[in-house]
Amino acid sequence: EAEVAQSPRYKITEKSQAVAFWCDPISGHATLYWYRQILGQGPELLVQFQDESVVDDSQLPKDRFSAERLKGVDSTLKIQPAELGDSAMYLCASSFLSDTQYFGPGTRLTVL
Amino acid sequence: EDKVVQSPLSLVVHEGDTVTLNCSYEVTNFRSLLWYKQEKKAPTFLFMLTSSGIEKKSGRLSSILDKKELFSILNITATQTGDSAIYLCAVEAFPSGTYKYIFGTGTRLKVLA
Repeated sequence: EAEVAQSPRYKITEKSQAVAFWCDPISGHATLYWYRQILGQGPELLVQFQDESVVDDSQLPKDRFSAERLKGVDSTLKIQPAELGDSAMYLCASSFLSDTQYFGPGTRLTVL
Repeated sequence: EDKVVQSPLSLVVHEGDTVTLNCSYEVTNFRSLLWYKQEKKAPTFLFMLTSSGIEKKSGRLSSILDKKELFSILNITATQTGDSAIYLCAVEAFPSGTYKYIFGTGTRLKVLA
């Protein structure tokens, strides 16, 4: 069964360092989502892509976060510089148009 | 502002009990409501509801949507320890030209043996 792939699964970094997360959606899924989930809360949408275009990044802290999906397939989310409050699970999900979204395993980020 | 509210926030029951989890919403241009189960990793899809009054069922889990009263419930009968997880409700809405999923904070369910 096709799955959303994410790497790394775990990342520990010091504050002020740069980190990057990678996501490969299910083949054929045009819509890709990056979520941040803080412990005890539901996922919060950071950015949504339709193919290579950003359709919603209203909750993305653009002073330190960036996301790209250059060829409309896999995607990278970057944080520079990382802050203590960025410690969270970063989830990638994909969907075929507006169909059900499927989540990857997530990247758990710890900022020291 | 679009919002999804789940209740209770947490619940502890014994094996064999039946539980009902609630999700209410206020969103712009509702499209669908989804339930996910999240253990120690990413959420896994349970149900997608788009029509009012039609029950979706999978084994011991069932869910129904009331679009008039803007809520959904997730029922789990004969609970097992493996049902222990966070149950997330997400609403797909169309607030401003793009589809968007808004998640509730989840209900943390613990089933004791």
